[in-house]
Parts: sequence; structure tokens; C-alpha cells
Amino acid sequence: GENVEQHPSTLSVQEGDSAVIKCTYSDSASNYFPWYKQELGKGPQLIIDIRSNVGEKKDQRIAVTLNKTAKHFSLHITETQPEDSAVYFCAAQFSGYALNFGKGTSLLVTP
Amino acid sequence: GAGVSQSPSNKVTEKGKDVELRCDPISGHTALYWYRQSLGQGLEFLIYFQGNSAPDKSGLPSDRFSAERTGGSVSTLTIQRTQQEDSAVYLCASSLDRSSSPLHFGNGTRLTVT
Repeated sequence: GENVEQHPSTLSVQEGDSAVIKCTYSDSASNYFPWYKQELGKGPQLIIDIRSNVGEKKDQRIAVTLNKTAKHFSLHITETQPEDSAVYFCAAQFSGYALNFGKGTSLLVTP
Repeated sequence: GAGVSQSPSNKVTEKGKDVELRCDPISGHTALYWYRQSLGQGLEFLIYFQGNSAPDKSGLPSDRFSAERTGGSVSTLTIQRTQQEDSAVYLCASSLDRSSSPLHFGNGTRLTVT
């Protein structure tokens, strides 16, 4: 099955700085790559996703890039704020099959 | 509208007992997933239901784990003869269909086996 590697496992940045989280996947047939944010005691919530026919997608302070050749994708958060502190998960899916998640990145934004 | 609802939110059980965890997906969502999240860990896929198709059970860790989805809506995850290593948060998610639709997660059931 699909194997998704995520780095780093923890990330600490100062408010206003950028944060980057990287993921690699093993199945070249994967065509959907979402990112989820999980706050304490809650289920993960989708923050942005990208499909394999697109190389980059941006939504305000959040952007995702996809390199299909290298089989890696990244989440970029600019102008970080304390409320961005959470655990972030990347995931990869081949259409019709289950979504496979990375092990998560705990992001801490310090004021 | 209502999101994915899971019950109970917390469950403490003794080793060896059976437990049932319930998930009410978003109305109209044909795909339903169960994941397990151990403390500080990622999301481990357990089982996936899509419409009337046979479920993908490839993630179930042992034959003590089973799940049903009745009428294409509510799902129940059953763990028989619970073990301490079953302690985790069990998350349910639903999505519109199988074509790479976003998953909507519930807040999970925290299971503690003593």
C-alpha cells in the first residue's frame, strides 16, 4: 500500500516567520494530496488539498506544492500566528482507495 | 449542518471485554472510514466503506476488530476481547464519494483499556 513519510516531526517558529512541512509518497499512482490540521481533542480538519494535475495551490497564508516526478509535496504557511499551532498531517490517495496519512508534524508558533 | 458524530466520546473498559463504537456520518456521504490514532502518533487506517461495495478491511489489525455499516449510513466498530494495546482514539470520517473527496472527521472516541 501507499507509504507516506512526513518531516519534521516537530517544528518551532516565531510568530511572523514561515513554516514548511514536507512529505514523500511511494505510490506513483496517487493523485490526491490533502493536508489536515488537528487541534487538541478534535478530529483533523482539511486545510488545503491538491490534485496531481496541478503543481501549486494557494489559499491566503497557506500554499501546497507538488512534485510528481520526485513524489513529494510540501505545505507552506507564511506569516505564522499562534493559532496556527497544531499538529499537521499530510496524506496521499489513489482514487477509490483509502487515504494514507503521514505521522504528523507538531507545529508551535511562539509569540 | 451537522458534522460527523461519534459516540461515546470516551470509553473505559476492562481488558477482555467487548466494546462498540458508533459513527454517524454526514447525510449523503457515501464513503466512510475508520482510523486509529495512538497517543502522539499518526492516523492508522482500519477500514473503508464505499456505497454498497465490499468494504476494504485491509487495515484491521486482528480478527478481534470488525465493523459494519447499516443502510449505507451509521457504522459500528466492534473490538472483541479488548487488550491494553487497543487503547487509542478511534476516528471516523466520511466523504461524498470515492473520487478523492475531502474527508470530514468526527472528534473521535477515546478508548482506554485497563
